[in-house]
Amino acid sequence: DAMVIQNPRYQVTQFGKPVTLSCSQTLNHNVMYWYQQKSSQAPKLLFHYYDKDFNNEADTPDNFQSRRPNTSFCFLDIRSPGLGDAAMYLCATRGTGANNIQYFGAGTRLSVL
Amino acid sequence: GQQLNQSPQSMFIQEGEDVSMNCTSSSIFNTWLWYKQEPGEGPVLLIALYKAGELTSNGRLTAQFGITRKDSFLNISASIPSDVGIYFCAGQLEPNTGNQFYFGTGTSLTVIP
Repeated sequence: DAMVIQNPRYQVTQFGKPVTLSCSQTLNHNVMYWYQQKSSQAPKLLFHYYDKDFNNEADTPDNFQSRRPNTSFCFLDIRSPGLGDAAMYLCATRGTGANNIQYFGAGTRLSVL
Repeated sequence: GQQLNQSPQSMFIQEGEDVSMNCTSSSIFNTWLWYKQEPGEGPVLLIALYKAGELTSNGRLTAQFGITRKDSFLNISASIPSDVGIYFCAGQLEPNTGNQFYFGTGTSLTVIP
């Protein structure tokens, strides 16, 4: 059973039209991450939450925002998508202590028209 | 950001051959993770390593945490067509001052039947 669930799997939006991607987890992990991945490249960390503490990467554009209303859910908001934002967006979770493993969702493929 | 050098960048092999890839860094890591990613999907965890010298197997896959704590390798024995994908290493720095995992650049594996 999927433990990190991303919806939708495919999202098409228009240039400049806000879009929200969602992630949920059944693992009760403290940490949730959002990555951007462009074709055949390594995932690039955008930001992460440790519980309610938000940690933004220095080079993440302001166009990208995130919300974590509770332990299970985390959202990625792209306020004004540009053509360069077309990518795979990956959500991941990590437990703490001995369970130092990142588990990824299946990703959302975003297209910008 | 932290650089993880992963090699080779790509491999084309015959079915049945063994595969070896590695990940190196100039910094010390306390965790190494190996993932496989298929097209349109999120990375799937293959093996997690936590101690220098640790050697762990998962079916035909074997990975080791280097003694220097600056490298790790992944071997696949008797490759089959479904091994095709991109393999990523990921690690956490020692000391761990945050929740970030650093990713290698990936090894693209093609298995020729």
